[in-house]
Amino acid sequence: KQEVTQIPAALSVPEGENLVLNCSFTDSAIYNLQWFRQDPGKGLTSLLLIQSSQREQTSGRLNASLDKSSGRSTLYIAASQPGDSATYLCAVRPSGTGGFKTIFGAGTRLFVKA
Amino acid sequence: DVKVTQSSRYLVKRTGEKVFLECVQDMDHENMFWYRQDPGLGLRLIYFSYDVKMKEKGDIPEGYSVSREKKERFSLILESASTNQTSMYLCASSLRAWDSGNTIYFGEGSWLTVV
Repeated sequence: KQEVTQIPAALSVPEGENLVLNCSFTDSAIYNLQWFRQDPGKGLTSLLLIQSSQREQTSGRLNASLDKSSGRSTLYIAASQPGDSATYLCAVRPSGTGGFKTIFGAGTRLFVKA
Repeated sequence: DVKVTQSSRYLVKRTGEKVFLECVQDMDHENMFWYRQDPGLGLRLIYFSYDVKMKEKGDIPEGYSVSREKKERFSLILESASTNQTSMYLCASSLRAWDSGNTIYFGEGSWLTVV
């Protein structure tokens, strides 16, 4: 059964710091991995999607990598800002279930101090 | 941009009431999903639909049903609301299941409190 784990559960950093959020998954048979941001009381916003054949994706200050063989992904945030404070979730779409079911991690709660 | 709209953001219902949560997407997506999100339990899939009138159970379907009469609309129904169904409910949609470049999009969420 696919499981997704995110470490750390919470992180507090000063503004301007570069940081890395980690995601691991137990089964490498995936269609893709997606990183989301969730603000308190709101829905999830898609940040980056990495297809199973890709190694990384970049958007602005965000860079996500994928190592399928080791079951790991990282989300790198450069020059963090207070507006980056949110919960970040990673999710994998297993290829064995017809692609319908997306499995989510519990998230990393990030706080960027001004 | 894809838009997934959940019509009710905040609801308070009484135990035993029938509750309807509505979700509409505007991008002609084939797949639609209902999740609930609870502290410490993360997101859990309740039901999903891959076509009009088609539905499949997710991981926690008990106490819920769904309806998809039109492609753009997916409704979650609590037949007889109970206090343990107090939660944040999230609707999502995606274009195709077998496309590895397929992003899943979420609505803003519906906070349901059952008293």
